[in-house]
Amino acid sequence: DAGVIQSPRHEVTEMGQEVTLRCKPISGHNSLFWYRQTMMRGLELLIYFNNNVPIDDSGMPEDRFSAKMPNASFSTLKIQPSEPRDSAVYFCASSLVTSGGHWQFFGPGTRLTVL
Amino acid sequence: GQQVMQIPQYQHVQEGEDFTTYCNSSTTLSNIQWYKQRPGGHPVFLIQLVKSGEVKKQKRLTFQFGEAKKNSSLHITATQTTDVGTYFCAGPVAGNNRKLIWGLGTSLAVNP
Repeated sequence: DAGVIQSPRHEVTEMGQEVTLRCKPISGHNSLFWYRQTMMRGLELLIYFNNNVPIDDSGMPEDRFSAKMPNASFSTLKIQPSEPRDSAVYFCASSLVTSGGHWQFFGPGTRLTVL
Repeated sequence: GQQVMQIPQYQHVQEGEDFTTYCNSSTTLSNIQWYKQRPGGHPVFLIQLVKSGEVKKQKRLTFQFGEAKKNSSLHITATQTTDVGTYFCAGPVAGNNRKLIWGLGTSLAVNP
């Protein structure tokens, strides 16, 4: 069974450009999470969806960031316009929330560099 | 606000030595989860502890959940080079089982 799939794996762009990160969660999982990881701030939750509905976007740093989940098998995180301080590794994770637990399965991440 | 602290931040050991990382929450947790992230990799779920005082073992790894459900530890016996990575603990945000609060992790380096 395939795990969480993210694309692209690496993205190098110039300041001001639009960046779109993509995620395919594990089939059957009902929650999806977008994280950002940096050395300084560690792992930060940006937004999460439950059954394709955005539940908590309090971690989204600015209006430049937006996320969508049009269906259960696809989500995007968009940064427009990008800035050098957005450089980080962005992880998508999914989980199946049950009474027994809801640990998260992470994708391989997208390493974003904004010049 | 709710916080999860991990100590130490870094640990260097010789192969064969034991290693322990500690996780402390500012609030009582319904459960605690541990993840491992290899250098250049992504966090991988290791285990979830739910019960007060719970102890679980995975080969050389021993996980404990404190009686008050506010602290936890991960102990590795006789470390190997394959144990290198960052170990994170995470617990649910109070009142929201889906959202996790993460510690900053303990980075383990093992000298062969």
